[in-house]
Amino acid sequence: DVVMTQTPLSSPVTLGQPASISCKSSQSLVHSDGNTFLNWLHQRPGQPPRLLIYEVSNRFSGVPDRFSGSGAGTDFTLKISRVEAEDVGVYFCMQAAQFPWTFGQGTKVEIK
Amino acid sequence: QVQLVQSGTEVEKPGASVTVSCKASGYTVSDYFMHWVRQAPGQSLEWMGWINPKSGATHFAQKFQARVSMTGDTSINTAYMELSSLRSDDTAVYYCARDGGSGSLDFWGQGTLVIVSS
Repeated sequence: DVVMTQTPLSSPVTLGQPASISCKSSQSLVHSDGNTFLNWLHQRPGQPPRLLIYEVSNRFSGVPDRFSGSGAGTDFTLKISRVEAEDVGVYFCMQAAQFPWTFGQGTKVEIK
Repeated sequence: QVQLVQSGTEVEKPGASVTVSCKASGYTVSDYFMHWVRQAPGQSLEWMGWINPKSGATHFAQKFQARVSMTGDTSINTAYMELSSLRSDDTAVYYCARDGGSGSLDFWGQGTLVIVSS
Protein backbone atom coordinates (compact mmCIF):
# COMPACT_ATOMS: atom_id res chain seq x y z
CA ASP A 1 0.00 0.00 0.00
CA VAL A 2 1.10 3.60 -0.61
CA VAL A 3 2.05 5.26 2.68
CA MET A 4 1.23 8.97 2.95
CA THR A 5 3.29 10.95 5.48
CA GLN A 6 2.24 14.45 6.49
CA THR A 7 4.27 17.10 8.30
CA PRO A 8 3.77 18.79 10.62
CA LEU A 9 1.10 16.88 12.56
CA SER A 10 0.14 20.07 14.37
CA SER A 11 0.33 23.64 13.15
CA PRO A 12 -0.55 26.59 15.42
CA VAL A 13 -1.00 29.63 13.19
CA THR A 14 -1.81 33.31 13.64
CA LEU A 15 -4.89 34.65 11.92
CA GLY A 16 -3.94 36.32 8.65
CA GLN A 17 -0.63 34.49 8.43
CA PRO A 18 0.25 31.74 5.96
CA ALA A 19 0.31 28.02 6.69
CA SER A 20 1.87 25.13 4.81
CA ILE A 21 1.46 21.36 5.05
CA SER A 22 3.71 18.79 3.41
CA CYS A 23 2.65 15.35 2.21
CA LYS A 24 5.07 12.71 0.96
CA SER A 25 4.06 9.43 -0.63
CA SER A 26 6.05 6.18 -0.51
CA GLN A 27 5.53 5.70 -4.26
CA SER A 28 4.96 7.99 -7.21
CA LEU A 29 1.34 9.12 -7.53
CA VAL A 30 1.51 9.43 -11.30
CA HIS A 31 -1.23 7.18 -12.62
CA SER A 32 -0.81 5.04 -15.73
CA ASP A 33 -2.97 7.59 -17.55
CA GLY A 34 -0.42 10.32 -16.81
CA ASN A 35 -2.49 12.18 -14.22
CA THR A 36 -1.37 12.62 -10.62
CA PHE A 37 -4.13 11.70 -8.20
CA LEU A 38 -3.36 13.58 -5.02
CA ASN A 39 -6.18 15.26 -3.08
CA TRP A 40 -6.42 17.47 -0.03
CA LEU A 41 -9.37 17.27 2.35
CA HIS A 42 -10.40 19.41 5.33
CA GLN A 43 -12.33 18.13 8.33
CA ARG A 44 -13.78 20.41 10.99
CA PRO A 45 -14.56 18.89 14.41
CA GLY A 46 -17.67 16.72 14.29
CA GLN A 47 -18.03 17.14 10.53
CA PRO A 48 -17.31 14.88 7.56
CA PRO A 49 -14.26 15.63 5.44
CA ARG A 50 -14.75 17.94 2.49
CA LEU A 51 -12.77 18.07 -0.72
CA LEU A 52 -10.47 21.08 -1.14
CA ILE A 53 -8.00 20.18 -3.89
CA TYR A 54 -7.91 17.37 -6.46
CA GLU A 55 -5.21 16.31 -8.92
CA VAL A 56 -2.53 18.17 -6.92
CA SER A 57 -3.58 21.73 -7.66
CA ASN A 58 -7.22 22.01 -8.76
CA ARG A 59 -9.49 23.74 -6.28
CA PHE A 60 -12.90 22.12 -5.88
CA SER A 61 -16.00 24.20 -6.49
CA GLY A 62 -16.48 26.89 -3.85
CA VAL A 63 -13.03 26.55 -2.28
CA PRO A 64 -11.48 29.97 -1.59
CA ASP A 65 -8.43 30.92 -3.63
CA ARG A 66 -6.34 31.32 -0.46
CA PHE A 67 -5.94 27.53 -0.71
CA SER A 68 -3.40 26.24 -3.21
CA GLY A 69 -1.80 22.88 -3.91
CA SER A 70 1.47 22.05 -5.61
CA GLY A 71 3.96 19.25 -6.07
CA ALA A 72 4.78 16.30 -8.26
CA GLY A 73 5.79 12.65 -8.04
CA THR A 74 6.01 11.93 -4.34
CA ASP A 75 6.20 15.41 -2.73
CA PHE A 76 3.18 17.66 -2.34
CA THR A 77 2.26 20.81 -0.44
CA LEU A 78 -0.95 22.54 0.62
CA LYS A 79 -0.65 26.26 1.32
CA ILE A 80 -3.10 28.64 2.93
CA SER A 81 -2.07 32.18 2.04
CA ARG A 82 -3.84 33.89 4.95
CA VAL A 83 -5.43 31.70 7.59
CA GLU A 84 -8.99 32.55 8.63
CA ALA A 85 -10.85 31.30 11.70
CA GLU A 86 -12.96 28.89 9.61
CA ASP A 87 -9.79 27.11 8.42
CA VAL A 88 -9.21 25.35 11.74
CA GLY A 89 -9.51 21.58 11.77
CA VAL A 90 -7.60 18.65 10.36
CA TYR A 91 -6.20 18.48 6.85
CA PHE A 92 -5.63 15.16 5.11
CA CYS A 93 -3.82 14.31 1.92
CA MET A 94 -5.20 11.34 0.02
CA GLN A 95 -3.81 9.36 -2.91
CA ALA A 96 -6.01 7.78 -5.55
CA ALA A 97 -3.28 6.60 -7.91
CA GLN A 98 -3.35 3.01 -6.68
CA PHE A 99 -5.79 0.80 -4.78
CA PRO A 100 -6.24 0.81 -1.89
CA TRP A 101 -6.64 4.58 -1.74
CA THR A 102 -4.79 5.83 1.33
CA PHE A 103 -4.72 8.91 3.53
CA GLY A 104 -2.12 10.80 5.50
CA GLN A 105 -2.28 10.90 9.32
CA GLY A 106 -3.77 14.38 9.27
CA THR A 107 -2.42 17.80 10.24
CA LYS A 108 -4.30 19.74 12.91
CA VAL A 109 -4.43 23.47 12.22
CA GLU A 110 -5.36 25.65 15.18
CA ILE A 111 -5.22 29.35 15.92
CA LYS A 112 -2.48 30.55 18.28
CA GLN B 1 -27.60 20.42 -4.60
CA VAL B 2 -25.87 17.09 -4.01
CA GLN B 3 -26.54 15.55 -0.61
CA LEU B 4 -25.76 12.16 0.90
CA VAL B 5 -27.82 11.30 3.97
CA GLN B 6 -26.77 8.27 5.98
CA SER B 7 -28.63 6.11 8.48
CA GLY B 8 -28.24 6.61 12.21
CA THR B 9 -26.00 5.29 14.94
CA GLU B 10 -25.77 1.54 15.33
CA VAL B 11 -24.72 -0.43 18.42
CA GLU B 12 -23.80 -4.05 17.73
CA LYS B 13 -22.29 -6.97 19.59
CA PRO B 14 -19.06 -8.65 18.46
CA GLY B 15 -19.70 -11.16 15.72
CA ALA B 16 -22.82 -9.38 14.46
CA SER B 17 -23.32 -7.59 11.13
CA VAL B 18 -24.26 -3.99 10.42
CA THR B 19 -25.73 -2.31 7.36
CA VAL B 20 -25.32 1.41 6.73
CA SER B 21 -27.42 3.19 4.11
CA CYS B 22 -26.56 6.29 2.11
CA LYS B 23 -29.41 8.07 0.30
CA ALA B 24 -28.39 10.41 -2.48
CA SER B 25 -30.29 13.48 -3.59
CA GLY B 26 -29.52 16.12 -6.17
CA TYR B 27 -28.13 13.56 -8.60
CA THR B 28 -28.80 10.01 -9.82
CA VAL B 29 -26.86 7.47 -7.79
CA SER B 30 -26.36 5.19 -10.80
CA ASP B 31 -24.33 7.91 -12.57
CA TYR B 32 -21.39 7.89 -10.13
CA PHE B 33 -19.38 5.31 -8.24
CA MET B 34 -19.83 5.40 -4.45
CA HIS B 35 -16.99 4.84 -2.01
CA TRP B 36 -17.02 3.95 1.68
CA VAL B 37 -14.44 5.31 4.12
CA ARG B 38 -14.23 4.82 7.86
CA GLN B 39 -12.64 6.78 10.70
CA ALA B 40 -11.92 5.19 14.08
CA PRO B 41 -12.07 7.55 17.10
CA GLY B 42 -9.22 10.06 16.97
CA GLN B 43 -7.72 8.38 13.91
CA SER B 44 -7.19 9.13 10.26
CA LEU B 45 -9.38 7.93 7.40
CA GLU B 46 -9.42 4.40 5.97
CA TRP B 47 -10.72 3.57 2.50
CA MET B 48 -12.88 0.44 2.35
CA GLY B 49 -13.96 0.12 -1.28
CA TRP B 50 -16.29 1.29 -4.02
CA ILE B 51 -19.43 0.22 -5.82
CA ASN B 52 -20.72 1.06 -9.26
CA PRO B 53 -24.44 1.28 -8.42
CA LYS B 54 -25.44 0.91 -12.08
CA SER B 55 -23.70 -2.43 -12.67
CA GLY B 56 -23.24 -3.64 -9.11
CA ALA B 57 -19.49 -4.05 -9.67
CA THR B 58 -17.41 -3.61 -6.53
CA HIS B 59 -13.79 -3.31 -5.49
CA PHE B 60 -12.73 -3.69 -1.88
CA ALA B 61 -9.58 -3.07 0.10
CA GLN B 62 -7.99 -6.44 0.77
CA LYS B 63 -8.31 -5.85 4.52
CA PHE B 64 -12.14 -5.92 4.26
CA GLN B 65 -12.61 -8.29 1.34
CA ALA B 66 -13.88 -11.24 3.38
CA ARG B 67 -16.31 -9.22 5.53
CA VAL B 68 -17.75 -6.37 3.46
CA SER B 69 -20.43 -6.11 0.83
CA MET B 70 -21.67 -3.03 -1.00
CA THR B 71 -24.93 -2.78 -2.88
CA GLY B 72 -27.11 -0.17 -4.48
CA ASP B 73 -30.81 0.29 -5.02
CA THR B 74 -31.15 2.67 -7.94
CA SER B 75 -34.95 2.78 -7.60
CA ILE B 76 -34.57 4.70 -4.32
CA ASN B 77 -31.21 6.35 -5.10
CA THR B 78 -29.51 4.60 -2.18
CA ALA B 79 -26.24 2.76 -1.58
CA TYR B 80 -25.55 0.30 1.23
CA MET B 81 -22.50 -1.07 2.99
CA GLU B 82 -22.68 -4.21 5.13
CA LEU B 83 -19.84 -5.24 7.41
CA SER B 84 -20.00 -8.66 9.06
CA SER B 85 -18.17 -10.49 11.87
CA LEU B 86 -17.84 -7.21 13.74
CA ARG B 87 -15.00 -6.72 16.23
CA SER B 88 -14.41 -3.99 18.77
CA ASP B 89 -11.85 -2.36 16.47
CA ASP B 90 -14.59 -1.85 13.86
CA THR B 91 -15.96 0.89 16.12
CA ALA B 92 -15.78 3.94 13.87
CA VAL B 93 -17.68 6.54 11.91
CA TYR B 94 -18.49 5.16 8.46
CA TYR B 95 -18.83 7.59 5.55
CA CYS B 96 -20.16 7.21 2.04
CA ALA B 97 -18.53 9.51 -0.49
CA ARG B 98 -19.29 10.14 -4.14
CA ASP B 99 -16.58 9.53 -6.72
CA GLY B 100 -16.23 12.87 -8.46
CA GLY B 101 -13.82 11.65 -11.11
CA SER B 102 -10.11 12.53 -11.28
CA GLY B 103 -9.54 10.33 -8.25
CA SER B 104 -11.58 12.59 -6.00
CA LEU B 105 -14.30 12.10 -3.39
CA ASP B 106 -16.35 15.23 -3.97
CA PHE B 107 -19.36 14.85 -1.67
CA TRP B 108 -19.55 13.04 1.65
CA GLY B 109 -22.35 11.77 3.83
CA GLN B 110 -22.63 13.04 7.38
CA GLY B 111 -21.25 9.77 8.77
CA THR B 112 -22.74 6.86 10.71
CA LEU B 113 -21.29 5.90 14.07
CA VAL B 114 -21.04 2.14 14.53
CA ILE B 115 -20.21 1.00 18.05
CA VAL B 116 -19.20 -2.61 18.60
CA SER B 117 -19.43 -3.59 22.23
CA SER B 118 -20.45 -6.59 24.27
